[in-house]
Amino acid sequence: AQSVTQPDIHITVSEGASLELRCNYSYGATPYLFWYVQSPGQGLQLLLKYFSGDTLVQGIKGFEAEFKRSQSSFNLRKPSVHWSDAAEYFCAVQADRGSTLGRLYFGRGTQLTVWP
Amino acid sequence: KAGVTQTPRYLIKTRGQQVTLSCSPISGHRSVSWYQQTPGQGLQFLFEYFSETQRNKGNFPGRFSGRQFSNSRSEMNVSTLELGDSALYLCASSKGQSSGANVLTFGAGSRLTVL
Repeated sequence: AQSVTQPDIHITVSEGASLELRCNYSYGATPYLFWYVQSPGQGLQLLLKYFSGDTLVQGIKGFEAEFKRSQSSFNLRKPSVHWSDAAEYFCAVQADRGSTLGRLYFGRGTQLTVWP
Repeated sequence: KAGVTQTPRYLIKTRGQQVTLSCSPISGHRSVSWYQQTPGQGLQFLFEYFSETQRNKGNFPGRFSGRQFSNSRSEMNVSTLELGDSALYLCASSKGQSSGANVLTFGAGSRLTVL
């Protein structure tokens, strides 16, 4: 079965600093990968997705992520963090076939705090 | 276009009661999925409906059920509520295609508190 690990429960960065959130997945084939963001009391908003092709994908709000098959990773990055980026970030994997097609498996999330 | 709409946004129930949550998907989306989010267990998949049929189901007890109507709107029901059912219930819609990736768009959620 698919699974996702986000090793960092909580990350604190200063405004203007760079950011990298880690995500490792487990899946036998090439997965579909997603990053979602959740602000307090809100639903999940899609930041970016990887299906195939170029391993560096661009998303909304200046975020990007790189798929590395050899490391089973899909880390999220942003060159300069803004105070409004403070939120919880979820990495998710989706199977490309089988009985769980379409279902998302989420990591436990990384809470991002931004210092002014 | 309108997003995924969930109602009610907040509700409080007592143990033993039942609750029904509603989800209206994005127009043209035929798949609706439900997830439960709690601090202890994170985001857990409940079930997915496609064209009025349950296509996928997570590991939840039978107290959790759902259905989908011909207009793709979905409801989920929790009977005999327990304290542990307190959670944010998220609905997501997608085109539900049988091959290729399905991009899920989430609603704002229904926050259930069980007293």
